[in-house]
This record gives sequence, structure tokens and C-alpha cells, in this order.
Amino acid sequence: EVQLVESGGGLVQPGGSLRLSCAASGFSFSSYSMNWVRQAPGKGLEWVSYISSSSSSIYYADSVKGRFTISRDNAKNSLYLQMNSLRAEDTAVYYCARTCLVCQGSLDYWGQGSLVTVSS
Amino acid sequence: DIQMTQSPSTLSASVGDRVTITCRASQSISNWLAWYQQKPGKAPKLLIYKASSLESGVPSRFSGSGSETEFTLTISSLQPDDFATYYCQQYNSFTWTFGQGTKVEIK
Repeated sequence: EVQLVESGGGLVQPGGSLRLSCAASGFSFSSYSMNWVRQAPGKGLEWVSYISSSSSSIYYADSVKGRFTISRDNAKNSLYLQMNSLRAEDTAVYYCARTCLVCQGSLDYWGQGSLVTVSS
Repeated sequence: DIQMTQSPSTLSASVGDRVTITCRASQSISNWLAWYQQKPGKAPKLLIYKASSLESGVPSRFSGSGSETEFTLTISSLQPDDFATYYCQQYNSFTWTFGQGTKVEIK
């Protein structure tokens, strides 16, 4: 069974940093590209970042470019999101999501989410 | 950047109704479109990919159609488990954009 489990969320002050982790199991993690998607309270979904299976390609939404860094450790079946210079508007549930291999960019499995709250 | 616009934002319907949600792209995306269902407090669930392909395990009452800039998600006979928020999503050149969502409510 495919499982994605996020951790590392919490309360942080504006300007602070936080690192999210996503532990993957039940599939060959090193074969799949991965994403972070976030959802502000009561709002819609916003794609945040993408990393290819080998980490050779990385992309970010303009809203987080220069502040967030995505990475992965295939030996540990883990995905990460380092978030720096956090702002109130970064408050959201952050989901890790797997890119479907045959589904043209669709995201076929999602974690349960990790809440990040940026507030003083 | 490609923008995705869903309509309506909210839809009130009864069990057994046929429901259609529309998603429009600001430019052509071929068939690089997916639909997701999200229930409160839960992660989104993939329903449809490549505009019209049904994800494994998804009931056949869900269907998708369209291409280029206009797409639809249809639920042929609404069931109690289908009351949720639905999002379309496009993929183009390593950017993903979601529609603003359509909430399907009980009438």
C-alpha cells in the first residue's frame, strides 16, 4: 500500500524557518518525481514545488521561489521542504504528492498533510 | 501563466441528480487535465487524468471530457458519498495550476 506521511509542521514566527519531511513507503520511491502542494485555511490548492526522481530537475511556484528548497533522499525514501523567510501567507496545510508515471502530470497519491502556521 | 477557472463555485444537488462541473483554461492545454475530489480535513483524491481517463478504483459514475481549453466533470447519478469539493488541475511545462474548486452541497 502506498503511504506518504508528512511531519515537521508547527507554529513559527514570521521570518522563521521550518523543515517538512515526507516519508514514503509501499512503492519504489526512487522511480517517482514528487511534489509539495499547499492549502491555506478555507482556500483552494496551490502547487508549491516539484523534484524529479533523481533530483536533476527542480521547479518552484513564484510565490516561494528563493525562500523554499525541495530535496529528497532516495536511500531514506524521504522528501523534504526547507522553508525560510516564512510569511503569514505561507500558513497552510502542506501535502506531499506523488506524480503519476502514466497520468500526464496528475498527482495520484497524497499524504495526510502537515499544518504550518506562521504567526507572532 | 495558465489560469484555470471552474464553474460553478457552489452547486446544490440531490441524490440521484446528474451533475456537471466546468473547467476552463486560459490557453490550450491539450488533454493535460486532472480532476480531484476533496472532503473536509482530508487530502485530495485523484478521480480523472488525461481529461477523460478514470483512475483505478473510482466509480464509473464519474466521467471527464473536453480538450484544449474547456473541460467537464460529470457525475451521472450523485451519491451521498459524492458531496465534496472538486478541483481541476492542469499540468504544463513543470507548473501545476488548480481551479478554485466547486463545492457540491446537499440540496
